[in-house]
Amino acid sequence: EPEVTQTPSHQVTQMGQEVILRCVPISNHLYFYWYRQILGQKVEFLVSFYNNEISEKSEIFDDQFSVERPDGSNFTLKIRSTKLEDSAMYFCASSPLDSGNTIYFGEGSWLTVV
Amino acid sequence: GDSVTQMEGPVTLSEEAFLTINCTYTATGYPSLFWYVQYPGEGLQLLLKATKADDKGSNKGFEATYRKETTSFHLEKGSVQVSDSAVYFCALSEDSTLTFGKGTMLLVSP
Repeated sequence: EPEVTQTPSHQVTQMGQEVILRCVPISNHLYFYWYRQILGQKVEFLVSFYNNEISEKSEIFDDQFSVERPDGSNFTLKIRSTKLEDSAMYFCASSPLDSGNTIYFGEGSWLTVV
Repeated sequence: GDSVTQMEGPVTLSEEAFLTINCTYTATGYPSLFWYVQYPGEGLQLLLKATKADDKGSNKGFEATYRKETTSFHLEKGSVQVSDSAVYFCALSEDSTLTFGKGTMLLVSP
């Protein structure tokens, strides 16, 4: 069964460093997403991406964050200058055009900022 | 705005016990409702969904019915197994994004 894959599974970075989290969505999907879950808190929406542009973003997704689809398969989340509070599990997700709102998630990338 | 409230965990049960995890929601329109499950060390997996009132979603012995009058989508299973131990997330969607509850950890002992 096709699945969303994410790398790395775990990354430790120093505060102020740039981080890129990578995702390969399911191949025939058209919508891509990033969500995050801070330890002990809710899974929160960050951004959605469709037709090579951001379609929606939350208040969390400020100027420190950016997303890119650099080629036909990858979808990346960049955090420009990490803060301690960026430590979280980041989930990539994708959905096809007619999914009835069903979104398929990857296994997550656990980011620890020290 | 939209929100989802789930019962606090952990829920601790013995194998073959009956499971209920409560979920209620607040939404402005008519959302689709979902249960996602996260097994230890894995990502979020869709367990079941319902897209309109009175629909029942079901999968792997789990069921949930979309109750518009009580704005609820409680998850049930008649007989849990040790392998059902996981974190269960209730979620809703009115557009292309999901709003999640905090998650409920289920621990099933033999």
